Amino acid sequence: RKEVEQDPGPFNVPEGATVAFNCTYSNSASQSFFWYRQDCRKEPKLLMSVYSSGNEDGRFTAQLNRASQYISLLIRDSKLSDSATYLCAVNKGTGGFKTIFGAGTRLFVKA
Amino acid sequence: GAVVSQHPSWVICKSGTSVKIECRSLDFQATTMFWYRQFPKQSLMLMATSNEGSKATYEQGVEKDKFLINHASLTLSTLTVTSAHPEDSSFYICSARDQGLAGGDTQYFGPGTRLTVL
Repeated sequence: RKEVEQDPGPFNVPEGATVAFNCTYSNSASQSFFWYRQDCRKEPKLLMSVYSSGNEDGRFTAQLNRASQYISLLIRDSKLSDSATYLCAVNKGTGGFKTIFGAGTRLFVKA
Repeated sequence: GAVVSQHPSWVICKSGTSVKIECRSLDFQATTMFWYRQFPKQSLMLMATSNEGSKATYEQGVEKDKFLINHASLTLSTLTVTSAHPEDSSFYICSARDQGLAGGDTQYFGPGTRLTVL
């Protein structure tokens, strides 16, 4: 079983749609959680950290469910510029600061 | 925000040659840097953790004698792919850990180096 798993997609949605991504992690000792955005042939860019209380940044909302070991990302009012690959990342914390990435979910937003 | 640079941004080499990739933290000191590799349509795979002044810690399955890592200063880590072969062609990305004076702990990524081995 992979440490961090995501549905690879692709998700094809029209502009203005709401889309949600989920990610599961296997290590219950994981301490920090993130969503990154990666554009084609570029490095990942931090989109947002994910906290147990949930957090929101504009059109983006992230949630963490420790009991079920999954995190989610909700994008409201999708824009064409949201088209990218969204990577879920988990930091184990214990044994060193080491971030493990999921394989990513492709999103295509169409006009 | 903090910036991490990589050099070169892309490189094409012949099979059997060695390639060195540099990763620099430009406005902070990084005692820890990480090297990732990403094949097309796959995720970033952590190769090793580079610690300033000590030996790197390699992930399972990564050959330490093939991927030499040196972290001689707080702002520079290098990855040398020795005797590169076509299967080593990939996107290599470094990141640097900024533990900051204010107690923050953030990882910043370099722009990546695309290696093509002919």
